[in-house]
Amino acid sequence: GENVEQHPSTLSVQEGDSAVIKCTYSDSASNYFPWYKQELGKRPQLIIDIRSNVGEKKDQRIAVTLNKTAKHFSLHITETQPEDSAVYFCAAIYSGAGSYQLTFGKGTKLSVIP
Amino acid sequence: DSGVTQTPKHLITATGQRVTLRCSPRSGDLSVYWYQQSLDQGLQFLIQYYNGEERAKGNILERFSAQQFPDLHSELNLSSLELGDSALYFCASSLQGNTEAFFGQGTRLTVV
Repeated sequence: GENVEQHPSTLSVQEGDSAVIKCTYSDSASNYFPWYKQELGKRPQLIIDIRSNVGEKKDQRIAVTLNKTAKHFSLHITETQPEDSAVYFCAAIYSGAGSYQLTFGKGTKLSVIP
Repeated sequence: DSGVTQTPKHLITATGQRVTLRCSPRSGDLSVYWYQQSLDQGLQFLIQYYNGEERAKGNILERFSAQQFPDLHSELNLSSLELGDSALYFCASSLQGNTEAFFGQGTRLTVV
């Protein structure tokens, strides 16, 4: 199965600074990499995703990059705001023999200090 | 609202008991995932179903079982409950396996 490592586990940044969260995956067959944001007591919600045929994707202040050779992908948040404070999870979907195992990293708790 | 409905929202039960958690996926979604999230922990993958068939299994205990019914709703059965089973259990659904997964609000299980 797939194994996803995520770093750092906690991250504190000043409001307006950038935040970067990095993940690595183990199975080269994985082809879909979503990022989820989970606010305290709420459900995880998708914020951005990238497929293995794309190297970078941006959506306003959020961007994700993928390096298939190195099997790692990163989330970049620019001009951070207090409402960005949450736990962020990276994930990878391994597709094999008709199964789709959506495996998550352990999460990064982002704190944006006003 | 994600369109994924989980019931009940909260459940308190005693050790040794059995409970059933229910998940109704978004309309049209064929794939259902179950996750366990303990306090301050990540999302532990339990099991995945696609159109009624079990397709992937994670670290799901033998005391736990699940199924997806013909109408695509899914149930997670937890038996011989232990204190350590206390957690937030999430269901997620997606159209296929490798498309965006939408999460329900979760069922918070407390074993006392």
